[in-house]
Amino acid sequence: ETGVTQTPRHLVMGMTNKKSLKCEQHLGHNAMYWYKQSAKKPLELMFVYSLEERVENNSVPSRFSPECPNSSHLFLHLHTLQPEDSALYLCASSPDRGFYEQYFGPGTRLTVT
Amino acid sequence: GENVEQHPSTLSVQEGDSAVIKCTYSDSASNYFPWYKQELGKGPQLIIDIRSNVGEKKDQRIAVTLNKTAKHFSLHITETQPEDSAVYFCAAHSPGAGSYQLTFGKGTKLSVIP
Repeated sequence: ETGVTQTPRHLVMGMTNKKSLKCEQHLGHNAMYWYKQSAKKPLELMFVYSLEERVENNSVPSRFSPECPNSSHLFLHLHTLQPEDSALYLCASSPDRGFYEQYFGPGTRLTVT
Repeated sequence: GENVEQHPSTLSVQEGDSAVIKCTYSDSASNYFPWYKQELGKGPQLIIDIRSNVGEKKDQRIAVTLNKTAKHFSLHITETQPEDSAVYFCAAHSPGAGSYQLTFGKGTKLSVIP
């Protein structure tokens, strides 16, 4: 595997379900990101981790819970989501602080029913 | 905070013609400007970037220009090919927004007509 991988690629869940999204980067980077991409809107940064420490949290509802067990893996735990949370969730990584170029995974298409 | 405006939202060009996408930003301290290409079913792919100490950068058929005075930057694609069809996003890094945050434009859907 190369670059940034995400699983699953598609997920359908009910509003009362609990699920998790997984991201893995094979680039040796130290920073990882979660973004939300909705139609007609700019990419929205949700969380940033640097060396497993959360460094930014952009006012994301508590029904989204990130976890970064090491610099190669990032999870997004989902529970009691709303239909408006349906979107493409993208993971990205970058070398480290001061290196701004970010490399994205293919995304997880989430549908909340 | 930083605000990035991107135009046009859609662009159609004939194969072989050039395409230009423009972005403006609000924070004069912004210092890094990447462009991403997103094909259907894929994540955004970094295609070119420029830092604030450079006015222009080229990579084969693509180039980016930066005008710091006017606070705008542009993506130029020459000799367009059908495989250039995708959504293109510009972004800007503002030091005041934190060390990691990029502010993205809303995207331009480019269609190259064979």
